Amino acid sequence: SYVLTQPPSVSVAPGQTARITCGGNNIGSKSVHWYQQKPGQAPVLVVYDDSDRPSGIPERFSGSNSGNTATLTISRVEGGDEADYYCQVWDSSSDLVVFGGGTKLTVL
Amino acid sequence: EVQLVESGGGLVQPGGSLRLSCVASGFTFSSSEMNWVRQAPGKGLEWVSYISNTGFTIYYADSVKGRFTISRDSAKNSLFLQMNSLRAEDSAVYYCARGKGSSSDYWGQGTLVTVSS
Repeated sequence: SYVLTQPPSVSVAPGQTARITCGGNNIGSKSVHWYQQKPGQAPVLVVYDDSDRPSGIPERFSGSNSGNTATLTISRVEGGDEADYYCQVWDSSSDLVVFGGGTKLTVL
Repeated sequence: EVQLVESGGGLVQPGGSLRLSCVASGFTFSSSEMNWVRQAPGKGLEWVSYISNTGFTIYYADSVKGRFTISRDSAKNSLFLQMNSLRAEDSAVYYCARGKGSSSDYWGQGTLVTVSS
């Protein structure tokens, strides 16, 4: 089955740029989606189809996808961005939705 | 405003059954694909099942195939998950989520299922 690999944690100082990666075999050929989840809350879609943002999501959130790695980039990081972030794809070869293991973003 | 409200969770013994419900409002439910996603305590997200807007296309995670059944009633704007032969590892918060392409753009607040004797 298809596997998505994320780093368990990423730390960044306020105002800096955070980059969270999501690795998968030829992931560049798939559409990647990213979710933010704060403690005790439901996930929120922050980027879909590699690089599109839902309405209401700040422009500071952006995404890219090429080769074997997709990346969620959060610019000018704020304390409120501290959360778990998950990548997700649809694996058409097996008709399964796949989530990455999640990355905890810590704002120093 | 899009709203998804899950219910039906609770404590059940191993081998038992539960039926989860999700009532949708604020959008055209009959036109929307839907998913169930779960999250065990302290763990990551795990997709459980998908159903197309018509109900004709259904997919399951391998971990629940043969034990769980997803269904919908568009007349009642409701999504269901019938869970049989429950195991301890099925303990989780279960979320219903609206499909947007291959993503999920709106999520409910979840309902907690605990499988324990």
